[in-house]
Amino acid sequence: GNSVTQMEGPVTLSEEAFLTINCTYTATGYPSLFWYVQYPGEGLQLLLKATKADDKGSNKGFEATYRKETTSFHLEKGSVQVSDSAVYFCALKGGTYKYIFGTGTRLKVLA
Amino acid sequence: GAVVSQHPSRVICKSGTSVKIECRSLDFQATTMFWYRQFPKQSLMLMATSNEGSKATYEQGVEKDKFLINHASLTLSTLTVTSAHPEDSSFYICSARAGQGTSGGSVDEQFFGPGTRLTVL
Repeated sequence: GNSVTQMEGPVTLSEEAFLTINCTYTATGYPSLFWYVQYPGEGLQLLLKATKADDKGSNKGFEATYRKETTSFHLEKGSVQVSDSAVYFCALKGGTYKYIFGTGTRLKVLA
Repeated sequence: GAVVSQHPSRVICKSGTSVKIECRSLDFQATTMFWYRQFPKQSLMLMATSNEGSKATYEQGVEKDKFLINHASLTLSTLTVTSAHPEDSSFYICSARAGQGTSGGSVDEQFFGPGTRLTVL
C-alpha cells in the first residue's frame, strides 16, 4: 500500500542555516504530494504541494520537487528563521481523498 | 483561507465515560470530513471518513461502536469516544474537504482543525 517515510527529528538549526527535510514515498500510480506545517497549538496548514512528476511546489521560501525516479519530495529552505520552528509533515494523496502522512519532523531554529 | 475549528481543545475524563469532540467548518461547507488520530511521535492515522447525511466509513481496525461519528450538517461533524479507556488517550484531528467555490484552496484540498488532546484517567 501507499506509505510515506520522513526523516526523524528533531532538527535543530541556527537562524539563516540551510534546511533539508527528507521525504520518500511508496505509491501505486501517480499520487499528489504535500508538505504540511503545524505550529504550536495550531492545526496543520498546507505549505506546498505538487501534483505530478518534476513539479516544484514553493511557498514562503520553502521548496520541494516531485522526483518520481527517486520517489522523493524533500523539503528545502535556503535560510531558516526562528519563526519556521514547527512540525513538518510530508503527505501523499492517491486516487481517493485519503491522505497518508509521514511521522512529522520537528524543526527548531535558534536565534 | 478556509478555517476548521475543533472543540474542546483539551479534555480529561475518567475511564468509562464518553467524550464528544466537535469539528466545524467555519466559513465553508464541507460535504466530507475526516477524523485522524495522532500518537506521540507518530503520523496521523485516518480513522474514518464522514459524509454529510450518511454513515461514516471507518478504516480497518477502527471500532465503529467505540468511535461514533455523526455528520449532521455541512459544517459540523462529531466524534464520540464511548466508554473511554486510558489507551484511547491521544490527539484527535479532523479535516474538512472543501467544496466547490471555497476560497483559499482547491476543491480537493483538505483543511485541518487544531486538534483535541484527550486524556483518559
